[in-house]
Amino acid sequence: DTEVTQTPKHLVMGMTNKKSLKCEQHMGHRAMYWYKQKAKKPPELMFVYSYEKLSINESVPSRFSPECPNSSLLNLHLHALQPEDSALYLCASSKASRRRRSTDTQYFGPGTRLTVL
Amino acid sequence: KQEVTQIPAALSVPEGENLVLNCSFTDSAIYNLQWFRQDPGKGLTSLLLIQSSQREQTSGRLNASLDKSSGRSTLYIAASQPGDSATYLCAVLYTGANSKLTFGKGITLSVRP
Repeated sequence: DTEVTQTPKHLVMGMTNKKSLKCEQHMGHRAMYWYKQKAKKPPELMFVYSYEKLSINESVPSRFSPECPNSSLLNLHLHALQPEDSALYLCASSKASRRRRSTDTQYFGPGTRLTVL
Repeated sequence: KQEVTQIPAALSVPEGENLVLNCSFTDSAIYNLQWFRQDPGKGLTSLLLIQSSQREQTSGRLNASLDKSSGRSTLYIAASQPGDSATYLCAVLYTGANSKLTFGKGITLSVRP
C-alpha cells in the first residue's frame, strides 16, 4: 500500500474561520511533509515532521499550525487565513532514518483544494 | 543557487511517438532525483527515483537517466498514449538540503490521438 490520503478534498473558508486539513498514511513512514502549490507552479515545502517531531519550518506564517499526533497522522490547522492562501495543499510521506535526513522517495496524497474567501 | 530547470514548459506530440523530457540542475552534489506526474488539480504520482550512484531507472514504458557531471536527467516515454497527458515534474534532493526537494516548474505534455 503506497497510499497517502487527505481530507477534505475541497475546503472553502472565510478569513475568520478555523479549519483543519488531515493526512494519513499506513506505510510505516516516519517522515511527513506539508506542501503548498499554487496554480501552474511547483509545490513549495512548508513543514517536515520526522519521528513525530517538527524538523523543518520553512518560515511559514503562524496562521498555519502543523500537528503530528502519531506516526500515521499529520494535521494542518488553519486560522485567520488570507485569500492569497488559496492553493492546493499536498501531504507527503517517506521513510526516515534517525541518523540522517530522509532521502527516500516521497509519496504524495491527492491534496486538499483550499479556497479562502 | 541550487535550481532545477525544465524546458520547454509545454510539449504536444502525436500518439505513438517516443519522447524525451529534459531536466537540468545546477549542482552535482545531490542525493537523488525524482520524476513525478501530476494530473490537473491532483496530487503528485512518483514515477521514478534515481539515486546519485545510479545512471538510470526503468518502469514499464518509462526510462529515466541521470548524468550528474553534466547536471542533466531525461525521462524517456516510449510509444506515448493520450493517457500520458499530464504535467511532469523533476525534483532534486540536494545534499545538505534537509529533505527539501527542489522542483522544476514542470513540463505539460499533451499526447494527441
